[in-house]
Amino acid sequence: GAVVSQHPSWVICKSGTSVKIECRSLDFQATTMFWYRQFPKQSLMLMATSNEGSKATYEQGVEKDKFLINHASLTLSTLTVTSAHPEDSSFYICSVGGGRGAYNEQFFGPGTRLTVL
Amino acid sequence: GDSVTQMEGPVTLSEEAFLTINCTYTATGYPSLFWYVQYPGEGLQLLLKATKADDKGSNKGFEATYRKETTSFHLEKGSVQVSDSAVYFCALIFNAGGTSYGKLTFGQGTILTVHP
Repeated sequence: GAVVSQHPSWVICKSGTSVKIECRSLDFQATTMFWYRQFPKQSLMLMATSNEGSKATYEQGVEKDKFLINHASLTLSTLTVTSAHPEDSSFYICSVGGGRGAYNEQFFGPGTRLTVL
Repeated sequence: GDSVTQMEGPVTLSEEAFLTINCTYTATGYPSLFWYVQYPGEGLQLLLKATKADDKGSNKGFEATYRKETTSFHLEKGSVQVSDSAVYFCALIFNAGGTSYGKLTFGQGTILTVHP
């Protein structure tokens, strides 16, 4: 399967600042990447689908102006949390689509833990 | 809409005990079904999958069978180890078509702790 990395693995920032999280597909050209958010002891919530070279598709209830997604190349997608607040503190996970067709398997990055003070 | 329901945890077992984590789904068609595992501090890893009714997915001693009649995909292992302690997620996905990806829908996750 695809190897996916995220950077940073954890970040602490002050309220009101912006934070950028990178998701890289190390051995696979990913036309589609996904961004998830996971609260403590809860499931993953899909935030958006990131498409290379085009605008991301956001899930209902996710503020696109707050969570900026850029997928400029086949190996890199970035999520920027703008004007972060304590309620944005969470575990952010990206994934890469493994291939088209019936299975649509996804390969996940290790996650980035964001703490907003 | 589509949804996945897992048995509530946490589940605590002794080493070598039998494990069952129940998973049922609601969907309008015939999705592919997955079990993902998340070890402490790590991202999700695919544990096993099944793509059609009566398929059995298996990996690392874990098994799950796609039961269309009961819309279930229960995870089982005959003898758990301490190293199996993790969070387990059941998930489904639909084929969105030949040119686009479907979306994974996750269950709420079940925390498994195995004691020596």
